[in-house]
This record gives sequence, C-alpha cells and structure tokens, in this order.
Amino acid sequence: SQQGEEDPQALSIQEGENATMNCSYKTSINNLQWYRQNSGRGLVHLILIRSNEREKHSGRLRVTLDTSKKSSSLLITASRAADTASYFCAGLNQGAQKLVFGQGTRLTINP
Amino acid sequence: GAVVSQHPSWVICKSGTSVKIECRSLDFQATTMFWYRQFPKQSLMLMATSNEGSKATYEQGVEKDKFLINHASLTLSTLTVTSAHPEDSSFYICSSPRWGGVQETQYFGPGTRLLVL
Repeated sequence: SQQGEEDPQALSIQEGENATMNCSYKTSINNLQWYRQNSGRGLVHLILIRSNEREKHSGRLRVTLDTSKKSSSLLITASRAADTASYFCAGLNQGAQKLVFGQGTRLTINP
Repeated sequence: GAVVSQHPSWVICKSGTSVKIECRSLDFQATTMFWYRQFPKQSLMLMATSNEGSKATYEQGVEKDKFLINHASLTLSTLTVTSAHPEDSSFYICSSPRWGGVQETQYFGPGTRLLVL
C-alpha cells in the first residue's frame, strides 16, 4: 500500500490540552496537507505545507514537515470539544499528482 | 459555503441494482474530479480520476466496468456502481481541485453513504 501511516490511531485528551498527531509517508511529495473529517461527513482542508517548508501555523494549528524522515506532525493547541473529529494527512505525490491519505487519527476532546 | 456537492447523501438499494452518484462543482469549472471510497473507521482510498471529456483513470484493483465514471460537463461527474453487492456498501466521496488539474488544495463533497442489502 502506498498509504502513509498516522499515529496515534486514536487520541483522547481533556479540553484545553494540546493534541499532537504524527504522519509518515512513503513517496516523494510536492506538499503535505491535513484534513479534518467529522463523523460521516466530507473532508475539510485545514492546512498545506510545501516540501520546501519546515513549519507552518494557522490559528491554533501548527504543522511541521521533515522531508528527510518523510514525516509530518499536526499540533492543535488549546483543544476544544468541537475539535473532536478524525484528522488525515495527505501527501501530493510528485509526478502522479494524486493525494495519498494516511490512516487517520481519531481525536476525542473530553469536556 | 460548499463548493462541491454530492447527490444523494445516502442511498439504500437491493443487491444487483445500479446506483448513480453525482458530484457537482458549484461555482467553478472542474476539469478533474477524484472519487474516493471510505470504509468505516478507515482512510480514503482513491478509486479513480475523472477527466472532463475523456476516459477516467482507475487505480489498480478498481474495476472500471463496475464503477462507471462519466464526466460529461465541467461541473458534473457521475459514479455509477453497477450490479451493486453488499461489499460495495461504503462512503463514497468526490473531490476537485479548484484551479485546473493541479491538486494544490482539494475541495471535498459531503459524501454519499451507500448501503446495499
């Protein structure tokens, strides 16, 4: 499978804490994107980091990318109950121009 | 607001029947659309790339005769699951890059849940 891997598969934390999710991928990428999916719904684009970038911020989100290790992390600070969802990383393969999704992390924020 | 819509949002059908799912870009022209399948608690698996005015490109292991894709206009792609069986029950999601065919950012439809009895 060309799919990347994410860890943890499931994460449960208290509201207000920070949540960190990791993603590893196998092929060379142009960029890596993070998406959020609420149960039974479509995906919402959160943030994109290009292969020549190492870190990017957007609101409470912080994404890092290490192309030498083929890995990325998503940090959500000051989590809220509404952040409860599944989070997926997806790498845009060089050449193939296709998104390859990681397995996802199911995040639960407990009030 | 939503930029990609799907219809229907859910469908239940009998085994052996065919089901058509529509994916529409609402305020932009989509020369390329992607179809994914997602089983419960799993990730999205790309099934095929739908290209306006030409044949779809299918991923390895996806039967093109079973999952018929038509992209006849710049705003509409359809996926038809032919002779559906219970193992085809899944969540089907389409997406489109907003600018041309380069996947800078994908806009995803809300998904269609298919249950085959």
